[in-house]
Amino acid sequence: EDQVTQSPEALRLQEGESSSLNCSYTVSGLRGLFWYRQDPGKGPEFLFTLYSAGEEKEKERLKATLTKKESFLHITAPKPEDSATYLCAVQAGRLTFGEGTQLTVNP
Amino acid sequence: ETGVTQTPRHLVMGMTNKKSLKCEQHLGHNAMYWYKQSAKKPLELMFVYNFKEQTENNSVPSRFSPECPNSSHLFLHLHTLQPEDSALYLCASSQRQGEAGLEQYFGPGTRLTVT
Repeated sequence: EDQVTQSPEALRLQEGESSSLNCSYTVSGLRGLFWYRQDPGKGPEFLFTLYSAGEEKEKERLKATLTKKESFLHITAPKPEDSATYLCAVQAGRLTFGEGTQLTVNP
Repeated sequence: ETGVTQTPRHLVMGMTNKKSLKCEQHLGHNAMYWYKQSAKKPLELMFVYNFKEQTENNSVPSRFSPECPNSSHLFLHLHTLQPEDSALYLCASSQRQGEAGLEQYFGPGTRLTVT
């Protein structure tokens, strides 16, 4: 059975304080790993797709990386508007989601 | 309208009511999905339609009945729900089902409360 574990559950940062979110996974035949952002009361918003170990993708202050067992979402110099829940999902057949990391960035 | 839209955004219903959730995607996609999101739990896949045909039913109770009249519209018919069915119901779409790396795009969800 595919499993996705995200850590930490919650993270509080000061504006400008860089950090990383972790997504550990167990899957038979990874076909893609996805990162989403979800704001309160809204649906998840697609951020990145990673396919193979060693791959990296960047978007503004976010950078996603992938190894054979985990993915990291690095947030550089975050701003309060980066506050959201970040979801990781792996695709073998269907998508399997983790529980998410709730990020709060204080001004 | 752009992206994936869902109506209503909020719904309160009694356990004996019948109601329907509606989803529409404006992305030209061929696969549509229903997910349930409960507090402190991962998104749970409920149903998948690919080119209007149901391809997955993730052991969902029969009080939830999906309908997909065309590739752009998806409904979830609800009847005799239980309080534990209270959750955020999310609709998503993708170009096709199952192809590697095809991202899903989500609607804003319907917040359902069963009293």
